[in-house]
Amino acid sequence: SQQGEEDPQALSIQEGENATMNCSYKTSINNLQWYRQNSGRGLVHLILIRSNEREKHSGRLRVTLDTSKKSSSLLITASRAADTASYFCATVQGAQKLVFGQGTRLTINP
Amino acid sequence: GAGVSQSPSNKVTEKGKDVELRCDPISGHTALYWYRQSLGQGLEFLIYFQGNSAPDKSGLPSDRFSAERTGGSVSTLTIQRTQQEDSAVYLCASSPGGTSGSVEQFFGPGTRLTVL
Repeated sequence: SQQGEEDPQALSIQEGENATMNCSYKTSINNLQWYRQNSGRGLVHLILIRSNEREKHSGRLRVTLDTSKKSSSLLITASRAADTASYFCATVQGAQKLVFGQGTRLTINP
Repeated sequence: GAGVSQSPSNKVTEKGKDVELRCDPISGHTALYWYRQSLGQGLEFLIYFQGNSAPDKSGLPSDRFSAERTGGSVSTLTIQRTQQEDSAVYLCASSPGGTSGSVEQFFGPGTRLTVL
């Protein structure tokens, strides 16, 4: 079963606006990862934030992590039509397996 | 190859038939994972291989599901006596298999299985 909850489930914004997606999890973590999925197929890793980090940047992406609230957010700045996809947070359980949230479907309108 | 590949990309089968799904991981990656994505259940972990052994197969939903990996490379996921609830996209991922949980996983494009 999925341990994470993401909100919103769907988000539609205009090109150029910022998009913020949130993720909550239930167990203690070493790190949290964000993935993107286009058209319901393969996932692409976006960014990993470790439990001792509070914020991380990668290009137009900014991820925050609040371990006290067991939550993370992904911000995409200056959105583009190509950012349209589903975004998932994932935590590691056991040795290696990823446990994914339900995902946020992001639509960027031109 | 350059990335993780999976075959077939789409598979339509009749209820009760067996299917085999194949995954070719990135060369040199010792860790390999199978996940399943369906409308009702989201993304679910199925099984994890380190080399040819499977230290975690806790996500396999029933004994109709099995997987093997040979030569530390190719993996096959077999579903016997398929049921309609097996319809899903089956995703394979690999990683270098270093420090546990600290590296990204590289995903293939998936196999969309439809059981009629």
